[in-house]
Amino acid sequence: EDQVTQSPEALRLQEGESSSLNCSYTVSGLRGLFWYRQDPGKGPEFLFTLYSAGEEKEKERLKATLTKKESFLHITAPKPEDSATYLCAVLLGGGGSNYKLTFGKGTLLTVNP
Amino acid sequence: GAGVSQSPRYKVAKRGQDVALRCDPISGHVSLFWYQQALGQGPEFLTYFQNEAQLDKSGLPSDRFFAERPEGSVSTLKIQRTQQEDSAVYLCASSFQGQTNQPQHFGDGTRLSIL
Repeated sequence: EDQVTQSPEALRLQEGESSSLNCSYTVSGLRGLFWYRQDPGKGPEFLFTLYSAGEEKEKERLKATLTKKESFLHITAPKPEDSATYLCAVLLGGGGSNYKLTFGKGTLLTVNP
Repeated sequence: GAGVSQSPRYKVAKRGQDVALRCDPISGHVSLFWYQQALGQGPEFLTYFQNEAQLDKSGLPSDRFFAERPEGSVSTLKIQRTQQEDSAVYLCASSFQGQTNQPQHFGDGTRLSIL
């Protein structure tokens, strides 16, 4: 069964303390891997799409990378405003359901000042 | 605003009542999705529309759930005879074209509480 697992479930950092979030997946025919940020009471906000192993995307303090089995979201020198839940989702290829996002449970990131 | 708009933001209903949740997608987006998000979980797929056609409703939990998009823009998710297990956040998302790997953009959801 296709599965997306995110770790850790929760992460506390001090401001400026860099770290990484992990998203591992056991799917066949990956068409894309998506990272979203979700603030309390809000919907997921799109951050990045990664399409193939070796690809990297950057936005401000965030950098996403992709291998054949997992993706990392690296956070460099985080600030308190980076506190949120970070969700990873995969989109499968092939016929049938090549539009349906399968999400992990998310990582709750808290950055203390 | 240019984003996905959902209403109401909060809905409280008694068990057994019917509810209707509305989604107004980003203008020009052909594809529309409904997801259900339980507390502490990631969103789970419910149904998918391309224009007015409902191409996939495999994620709808039961036949009490019904979704429509009659004119290919605004969509309504209806839940009949609500049960306590229906309590969740219902998220709507849209994308320019669903059957590609373009990102889906989400609204802020409707938080449904069944008493």
